[in-house]
Amino acid sequence: GAGVSQSPRYKVAKRGQDVALRCDPISGHVSLFWYQQALGQGPEFLTYFQNEAQLDKSGLPSDRFFAERPEGSVSTLKIQRTQQEDSAVYLCASSPLVGGAQETQYFGPGTRLLVL
Amino acid sequence: RKEVEQDPGPFNVPEGATVAFNCTYSNSASQSFFWYRQDCRKEPKLLMSVYSSGNEDGRFTAQLNRASQYISLLIRDSKLSDSATYLCVVNGGSYIPTFGRGTSLIVHP
Repeated sequence: GAGVSQSPRYKVAKRGQDVALRCDPISGHVSLFWYQQALGQGPEFLTYFQNEAQLDKSGLPSDRFFAERPEGSVSTLKIQRTQQEDSAVYLCASSPLVGGAQETQYFGPGTRLLVL
Repeated sequence: RKEVEQDPGPFNVPEGATVAFNCTYSNSASQSFFWYRQDCRKEPKLLMSVYSSGNEDGRFTAQLNRASQYISLLIRDSKLSDSATYLCVVNGGSYIPTFGRGTSLIVHP
């Protein structure tokens, strides 16, 4: 079946530009996570949704980062006024139940963001 | 001190070798533990969950030591295709999973 998909796969942005990253989770999956992965590091938690509810956004680095999942399926991570330090791979993961971090997560291929 | 720590390696081993990685965690209330595998420029994929009693899947064995607060991954009879980064994941009882930075394994002929 279809896995988690993300778009765009690659994004080059000029400093100060706004970007929007999309995640299509596996159909029916309740939990959705966003992560930021810098080169040579593990994924760092950004935010967590249970259906349409954003239950935790403690990992968002600044108020320039905003995420939503209005209908409990597709999610968008928006970064306003991008800066060079935002350059990273942004990973989306979903899991079927409400256990969130306590169960297997299925990752999308990621969006590689480069801010010039 | 980071919540979850891993030796980044790389661990460079010949085919057929046995290799083990450890991952230490700081939150004694942690409840669930996983090993994920990440190939270069790919997304992480679940390798195995780590149960209190330990678990084995073919050439892979995962163990949990709550007293010393670490989990381990043992790979026997290494294959070239095992070359990857191995990420440990610890859940401290909240919604937030914490990933280690990963341990790089290179298996050479």
